[in-house]
Amino acid sequence: KAGVTQTPRYLIKTRGQQVTLSCSPISGHRSVSWYQQTPGQGLQFLFEYFSETQRNKGNFPGRFSGRQFSNSRSEMNVSTLELGDSALYLCASSLEGPGARSGELFFGEGSRLTVL
Amino acid sequence: KQEVTQIPAALSVPEGENLVLNCSFTDSAIYNLQWFRQDPGKGLTSLLLIQSSQREQTSGRLNASLDKSSGRSTLYIAASQPGDSATYLCAVSNTGKLIFGQGTTLQVKP
Repeated sequence: KAGVTQTPRYLIKTRGQQVTLSCSPISGHRSVSWYQQTPGQGLQFLFEYFSETQRNKGNFPGRFSGRQFSNSRSEMNVSTLELGDSALYLCASSLEGPGARSGELFFGEGSRLTVL
Repeated sequence: KQEVTQIPAALSVPEGENLVLNCSFTDSAIYNLQWFRQDPGKGLTSLLLIQSSQREQTSGRLNASLDKSSGRSTLYIAASQPGDSATYLCAVSNTGKLIFGQGTTLQVKP
């Protein structure tokens, strides 16, 4: 079956712009999580959505937001981009979420954002 | 606050060697622990998931163990191959999110 699909794979933006990233989870998975990966900070949790509701949120400023649609597809948005937002943004899907017995997470290939 | 540490940060071994990667965490109140592999510029590939009630999981040449009381997990790779070269990450599930270690970058030389 198809894995987690993220689009776009690469994008370049300038400071002050905004960006929207998309994630299609594995069919049947209701939980979608987003992570930011940078060389300095490693992998950091952004937020998790389950059945269109944000269940958990990491320690990122309000410029980072997300949503989930009824078909479980998710988008994340970053407004007023800063140089430090350059990173690989990874989406992960799971059946019930990280805290469940079926909590195995499956990641997409990521969206690499470069902010100039 | 949960912290995850992986030792060593980098490892280089000749092909065929058996090796152990280490992961430690500070808070034993975890739901599960997951090991991932990441190739350069790619996403994460799930290798093994160990539930908090389990002691180990095996998949092919990989074996992962979990000792919650001591806050440790190990990933054992048998008969390493050049194709095993990648960064290996462990992550613990805690309060609805995964908390990752910084990873161990493995190079297996032919």
